Amino acid sequence: AQTVTQSQPEMSVQEAETVTLSCTYDTSENNYYLFWYKQPPSRQMILVIRQEAYKQQNATENRFSVNFQKAAKSFSLKISDSQLGDTAMYFCAYYSSSGNTPLVFGKGTRLSVIA
Amino acid sequence: DTAVSQTPKYLVTQMGNDKSIKCEQNLGHDTMYWYKQDSKKFLKIMFSYNNKELIINETVPNRFSPKSPDKAHLNLHINSLELGDSAVYFCASSQILNTEAFFGQGTRLTVV
Repeated sequence: AQTVTQSQPEMSVQEAETVTLSCTYDTSENNYYLFWYKQPPSRQMILVIRQEAYKQQNATENRFSVNFQKAAKSFSLKISDSQLGDTAMYFCAYYSSSGNTPLVFGKGTRLSVIA
Repeated sequence: DTAVSQTPKYLVTQMGNDKSIKCEQNLGHDTMYWYKQDSKKFLKIMFSYNNKELIINETVPNRFSPKSPDKAHLNLHINSLELGDSAVYFCASSQILNTEAFFGQGTRLTVV
């Protein structure tokens, strides 16, 4: 079964600084997708960024970028120029494109951006 | 326009009661899900429906019964509520089974 591990339960960063959140996953499959979701205090789950495993180029969305290392099964999220509004829980998620396995989430990292 | 909407946002009820949470999506997606988020923020899939048919039913007590009258709606009915059912329940939808999911705002259920 696929598993997703986020080894940092909590992190903090100063406003305008850069922070990297770690995620590793375990799978025997070759075709899959990876996501980072953000859950602010409002509780809403917001998709931040997605990565297709067949793409070598790392995904980027404005201040958010990933470092996807397929061989190492690592998928870290880098947030540049951190803003107070980035304070949230961040969840790494995996799904396989080859079967009925549902979206699998890591346990989350609570990020606090400090003014 | 809210893409995935669930009602109510908050639900406080007594043990033993029966309650329902409604979910609607206006994205034209074929697949809908229910996830449970526990007090430690862990998100776990409960059910997945594709075109009104049950695809995934994880180990969930049979007191939980999803109902999909059409592919835009997936409601969750819970019988004989227990204290351990207290959690946030999220509805979500996606275009094809297991692609990126769009989530509703969640329903915080508190059983007292």
